Amino acid sequence: AQSVTQLDSQVPVFEEAPVELRCNYSSSVSVYLFWYVQYPNQGLQLLLKYLSGSTLVESINGFEAEFNKSQTSFHLRKPSVHISDTAEYFCAVTMNTGFQKLVFGTGTRLLVSP
Amino acid sequence: EAGVTQFPSHSVIEKGQTVTLRCDPISGHDNLYWYRRVMGKEIKFLLHFVKESKQDESGMPNNRFLAERTGGTYSTLKVQPAELEDSGVYFCASSGHGTRLNEQFFGPGTRLTVL
Repeated sequence: AQSVTQLDSQVPVFEEAPVELRCNYSSSVSVYLFWYVQYPNQGLQLLLKYLSGSTLVESINGFEAEFNKSQTSFHLRKPSVHISDTAEYFCAVTMNTGFQKLVFGTGTRLLVSP
Repeated sequence: EAGVTQFPSHSVIEKGQTVTLRCDPISGHDNLYWYRRVMGKEIKFLLHFVKESKQDESGMPNNRFLAERTGGTYSTLKVQPAELEDSGVYFCASSGHGTRLNEQFFGPGTRLTVL
């Protein structure tokens, strides 16, 4: 079975500051890793994913995450946040065989203030 | 292409009543998933359809929950009778084939409140 831990329930940050949202996972088998984002009053959107290959993956809006197998982590980072990044961020894993259910963390609410 | 849609967006019912949630996946997606988020907790898997067949229903909490996907298109999730602990946001997701393997597209969710 897989599990995901997001230790920070809420991260307040000022605009243009860097941010890191932490995600650690546990699994006895190889996994795919995802970050989803939920903006206020909207559904979940895929932000970025790691399936294989380069351990550093990037999104189109400046976020990046690095898969670290030895530390079983997939932390999300952005060097300079914007007010519009205010949202809840969910880390998720799935087994890397076929179509499998996602196992989510509890989410981290990113609050960006001016 | 149209995304995953869910109806209703909100539902407020009393304990003991019945509620039916509907999900329309992206056209052509064989895989359909239901998830639920209870207030303040993680999003939890409920079940997975492949076309009209239940592939994995290990997350269904009890027999008050019934999911169907007749014809392999839209799906319904019925809660009968509803209990207070059923309150939460119910998400539906779908996935298909091709280059976006394993990418699940989520709907906006249905917020269910049981009073």
